[in-house]
Amino acid sequence: LAKTTQPISMDSYEGQEVNITCSHNNIATNDYITWYQQFPSQGPRFIIQGYKTKVTNEVASLFIPADRKSSTLSLPRVSLSDTAVYYCLVGDPNSGGGADGLTFGKGTHLIIQP
Amino acid sequence: NAGVTQTPKFQVLKTGQSMTLQCAQDMNHEYMSWYRQDPGMGLRLIHYSVGAGITDQGEVPNGYNVSRSTTEDFPLRLLSAAPSQTSVYFCASSRPAKNIQYFGAGTRLSVL
Repeated sequence: LAKTTQPISMDSYEGQEVNITCSHNNIATNDYITWYQQFPSQGPRFIIQGYKTKVTNEVASLFIPADRKSSTLSLPRVSLSDTAVYYCLVGDPNSGGGADGLTFGKGTHLIIQP
Repeated sequence: NAGVTQTPKFQVLKTGQSMTLQCAQDMNHEYMSWYRQDPGMGLRLIHYSVGAGITDQGEVPNGYNVSRSTTEDFPLRLLSAAPSQTSVYFCASSRPAKNIQYFGAGTRLSVL
């Protein structure tokens, strides 16, 4: 199972763009990269998933370099409500049985200040 | 849309008591998982299921049992509660890609 490494915490200000990087040096060929957001007292919520290059949705963008050994979640123009813990997971979604892609680390605690 | 429903939301147990945390999903998802989350920690996988009748252990399975008799339900049983099992428990389901999971609101369990 590919192991991920993220910063424990980050600070930013309202209106700024925030980039959270996740390292996954031993990512496998069939692995996808998935990001979740968790607010206090709630379950995690899926944000975005990608395999290579760039993926964008209404919430965030995900940048994945050619070697796929890292990925960057980009949150444009953050607000106070973006304060949350963000998790990066790596795994093969089509591996059938097994816990591949179901392992959460400690995540990155993002704090947005006024 | 109900999604993933967990009951109860809160529970207090005494050491040695048993109980079942309920989890139900109405999305016809094949994969279901149970996680626990302790203060300052990420989520740790307890047990998971790839379909009705099939379950397997995650990172921290000791002290917990599961079964999956239907696609919709995935109960988590604590056979003899211990203070170390005080935690917030989350249930999740996913389909078809198992790594896009939908989580319930959680059950806060205290074992005294």
